[in-house]
Amino acid sequence: DTGVSQDPRHKITKRGQNVTFRCDPISEHNRLYWYRQTLGQGPEFLTYFQNEAQLEKSRLLSDRFSAERPKGSFSTLEIQRTEQGDSAMYLCASSLAGQSDPYFGPGTRLTVT
Amino acid sequence: AQTVTQSQPEMSVQEAETVTLSCTYDTSESNYYLFWYKQPPSRQMILVIRQEAYKQQNATENRFSVNFQKAAKSFSLKISDSQLGDTAMYFCAFMKGTNAGKSTFGDGTTLTVKP
Repeated sequence: DTGVSQDPRHKITKRGQNVTFRCDPISEHNRLYWYRQTLGQGPEFLTYFQNEAQLEKSRLLSDRFSAERPKGSFSTLEIQRTEQGDSAMYLCASSLAGQSDPYFGPGTRLTVT
Repeated sequence: AQTVTQSQPEMSVQEAETVTLSCTYDTSESNYYLFWYKQPPSRQMILVIRQEAYKQQNATENRFSVNFQKAAKSFSLKISDSQLGDTAMYFCAFMKGTNAGKSTFGDGTTLTVKP
């Protein structure tokens, strides 16, 4: 399968713990996006990379959130000191710069207890 | 900032019939893309159809077509010959140009196709 992959698919953590999610984009795609989706709502943009450069961050992305794409391939999203409000589906998508169609991964569902 | 509004939280249709999902958006941009995505229950988001704002012709993909009214900032999705597998949440999304990166999504319409 050459689509976008995300790991883990599900994560349950206790409030206050740190969690890290990984996204592997489609191999030739140089853009990578992170979105957050809560139940019954559409995805909200968090941040995106072109190659290894982080080009935009949403104001939704508090200081507890950090994303990296060190070699311009896979990306990680870390949430420190998780809160119950962080419970959501975290979606990753990738695309080629200059082409409009982002392809989404299956998401990581985070539950903070 | 762009906004996308889907005014129908839930819709249903009988199998083999036609249904139209509504979407309106607000932007001051002249160059943009509009998308409809399908998200089946517990499954990943799939791109259904894309429309470039500079194109007057409405996009069509098999049973899926759009009615793009640029002046009215309206972008509806028509599904013909509805199938049980079309049951899903449908999201309308806006992307500014081709190098602007992020998409802005509506809150979705849950479509149920009934046998």
